Amino acid sequence: EADIYQTPRYLVIGTGKKITLECSQTMGHDKMYWYQQDPGMELHLIHYSYGVNSTEKGDLSSESTVSRIRTEHFPLTLESARPSHTSQYLCASSGDRETGELFFGEGSRLTVL
Amino acid sequence: GQNIDQPTEMTATEGAIVQINCTYQTSGFNGLFWYQQHAGEAPTFLSYNVLDGLEEKGRFSSFLSRSKGYSYLLLKELQMKDSASYLCALMDSNYQLIWGAGTKLIIKP
Repeated sequence: EADIYQTPRYLVIGTGKKITLECSQTMGHDKMYWYQQDPGMELHLIHYSYGVNSTEKGDLSSESTVSRIRTEHFPLTLESARPSHTSQYLCASSGDRETGELFFGEGSRLTVL
Repeated sequence: GQNIDQPTEMTATEGAIVQINCTYQTSGFNGLFWYQQHAGEAPTFLSYNVLDGLEEKGRFSSFLSRSKGYSYLLLKELQMKDSASYLCALMDSNYQLIWGAGTKLIIKP
């Protein structure tokens, strides 16, 4: 099994709150990703990192930010949550550039009221 | 630009064979992936094709034709646990994955 963990698994919060979704992996992977996925829809890349102190925005416009201070840790922060942020957030990591196999965490399901 | 098309939903019978197709358009290509995603869970890796041809892995096989921009995932001896969404994903010239919306496969007894 892949060693990548996300917390919280489920979160219900009010509009305007600041939240941080945690993601940690113990595989020593350099590349980490955050995806957003609505039910029955495709995954959208919102942020990625190729190593410590490296972060990039993905193809989905997002009001979130990420940091990569340690190889194993890649948290996602929403400064002010809105109902439009309600979704499933999936963290993934990859250690192989050529095959690009991604290992996913179990996801964080966020509901903003 | 890049585009991936796969059927939204398919139905098959337990014990049968099903083929899930994926067509794509891209200016840069570094491989095509298939992932399985059960409802409410994260995707898990099934296969990777970068050269033309068929890759077989147990009950699952994946085929690629780069000239036609076409891939398929073949599932044999279907089991009820194979009910899931199957995601086709393209790795572009920047080694980023572009995801299809997935094909929901329903297995009936």
